[in-house]
Parts: sequence; structure tokens; C-alpha cells
Amino acid sequence: DAGVTQSPTHLIKTRGQQVTLRCSPKSGHDTVSWYQQALGQGPQFIFQYYEEEERQRGNFPDRFSGHQFPNYSSELNVNALLLGDSALYLCASNRVMNTEAFFGQGTRLTVV
Amino acid sequence: RKEVEQDPGPFNVPEGATVAFNCTYSNSASQSFFWYRQDCRKEPKLLMSVYSSGNEDGRFTAQLNRASQYISLLIRDSKLSDSATYLCVALNSGGYQKVTFGTGTKLQVIP
Repeated sequence: DAGVTQSPTHLIKTRGQQVTLRCSPKSGHDTVSWYQQALGQGPQFIFQYYEEEERQRGNFPDRFSGHQFPNYSSELNVNALLLGDSALYLCASNRVMNTEAFFGQGTRLTVV
Repeated sequence: RKEVEQDPGPFNVPEGATVAFNCTYSNSASQSFFWYRQDCRKEPKLLMSVYSSGNEDGRFTAQLNRASQYISLLIRDSKLSDSATYLCVALNSGGYQKVTFGTGTKLQVIP
């Protein structure tokens, strides 16, 4: 079982650019959540996808958008990147209504 | 006020010591609670769930006090390998889960 996999592992982008991060959930999981973790902070909830729809959203601007595909994998898109978007982006998956979530290793995004 | 608050530490304790972390939550709708462990530059990993009756897993004991809205984690006989950041998590299960992490408490176990 591959667990939750994220790609890429590291990324450097320029201010104003757009970025797409990808996540494949653990086998048997149908719900994907995305988090942003700034250095020295706990993960901040961005949004959660189930059945290809956004079900919950945290306090993030519309520049952050996502998508879930029929195979349950997910993408996180961030437009008009700001320096403050530099962070570790974590994806977690679980089965809907099952509270045990597993995290991927994260994508470290640096905006310069 | 943050929804989930933790003392960021660091807690520097000698090997073999007992250490306790507390976490408070402000949203009374929070229904489930967890402790995650995060090693430096790694993803968080579930350590244990927290129940009102208290639960124990080896050297780790978690407690939930709903009346006072706090969660605790006790680590007995600390090992060097326990050095990590411990994240408190509250989950609101109103249909779909809204998960809130604390900022984490850093533990350093010293030889």
C-alpha cells in the first residue's frame, strides 16, 4: 500500500505565477483534505473534497482552488502566488465519516 | 483567539522523565480530538485519539475534559526518539469534517 502520495516534493515559483500540486489518496480512501503549514506553525485547513465536490473550506482566499477526480486523486491550484504562500502543503486522505486521516509527505513550495 | 491553542514550548526534558502537554479548544461543537506527532520536515502522523474516558497506549496517555475544553497528553519514561512536535487536533463532524490543528508543542528529550 503506497499510502498518500504527493507530487512534486519541492517546487520554486515566482511571485504572480500559478502552481498545481497533486495528491493520490491512500487505497480505499475517498476524501481528500489539503493543508498549508508555514514554518513553525501547525497545519491550516484549506479545503476538503468528497465525491468531486468541495465540502468544507477554511479561511483561504479564492486564489486557492481545487479539484477531485473520479479516481479520488486531487489537485490544489494556487493563482497569483505571493511570497506568503511559501509553505509545506500537506494532503490527507480518509474514508468519509472515518476520522482517521493519513498524510502525504507534503510539497514544499517556495515563492521567490 | 485561536480555535485550538497549545504551548509551543520547547519542552526540554531528560530521558526517563514524565512530560505533559495541554491543549485548549474554543469551539464547543468540536466532537473528536487527536494527537499527531510531527518530526522535523516530515508529515504529521496520528499518535492517538482522545476519548472522554481517557485512553492509554503504552507510555502515552490522553485525556479529554469537555467541561473545561482541554485535552492533555502525558508521556512517561521519555525516550530520545520521542523528540518531535506534538499537534493537538479538533474535529467538527457536522456532516463533513472540519479539522483544526494547534500550532504544536515541541519536545526535546535530552540524554
